[in-house]
Amino acid sequence: QKEVEQDPGPLSVPEGAIVSLNCTYSNSAFQYFMWYRQYSRKGPELLMYTYSSGNKEDGRFTAQVDKSSKYISLFIRDSQPSDSATYLCAMSPNNAGNMLTFGGGTRLMVKP
Amino acid sequence: GAGVSQSPSNKVTEKGKDVELRCDPISGHTALYWYRQRLGQGLEFLIYFQGNSAPDKSGLPSDRFSAERTGESVSTLTIQRTQQEDSAVYLCASSPGLAASYNEQFFGPGTRLTVL
Repeated sequence: QKEVEQDPGPLSVPEGAIVSLNCTYSNSAFQYFMWYRQYSRKGPELLMYTYSSGNKEDGRFTAQVDKSSKYISLFIRDSQPSDSATYLCAMSPNNAGNMLTFGGGTRLMVKP
Repeated sequence: GAGVSQSPSNKVTEKGKDVELRCDPISGHTALYWYRQRLGQGLEFLIYFQGNSAPDKSGLPSDRFSAERTGESVSTLTIQRTQQEDSAVYLCASSPGLAASYNEQFFGPGTRLTVL
């Protein structure tokens, strides 16, 4: 079993829909949680960065962390075709230079 | 400002040959990471450099893989005697290496390696 599980998709939604992307993990030591967006043939770019449990909002994006369930989510409101990409969750036990542990990514397609 | 750059963007090689991949991190970033991404999969950690400390090589899959970094600048990932299973995108990331920012890793576009 992988440390971080993510549904590979593809997830296809109409423009304007609310998108929910999720990851589950098994290592209770993870404290820092990130979401990256990766366009085709590009490197990942950091979207959201949260610590411990709770919510964080940035524009159309909201990240949620539920450490008791070992479950994290990324919500995208008013989805746009430009949001079509692969979304990768990543996590780390601390902020001291450890490597990040990534999920396999969910491919999202937003249709106009 | 300039982001992380990697070269070459694509590399096709024959099985058994050695390859060298280059990463130029963001200026001033002391931490540098190499990851591998196989087709349709997430990123696998390979190696991590932080300043002048000994690198964390725990993710290197075999002794055919090695990496070097000159001070806090350029890094080179070398794969010797390449195998077909080495085909992947090799991604480099850098971070400021300051308290509360280690996890904010900025990625380059990657080098797509194909071993025939």
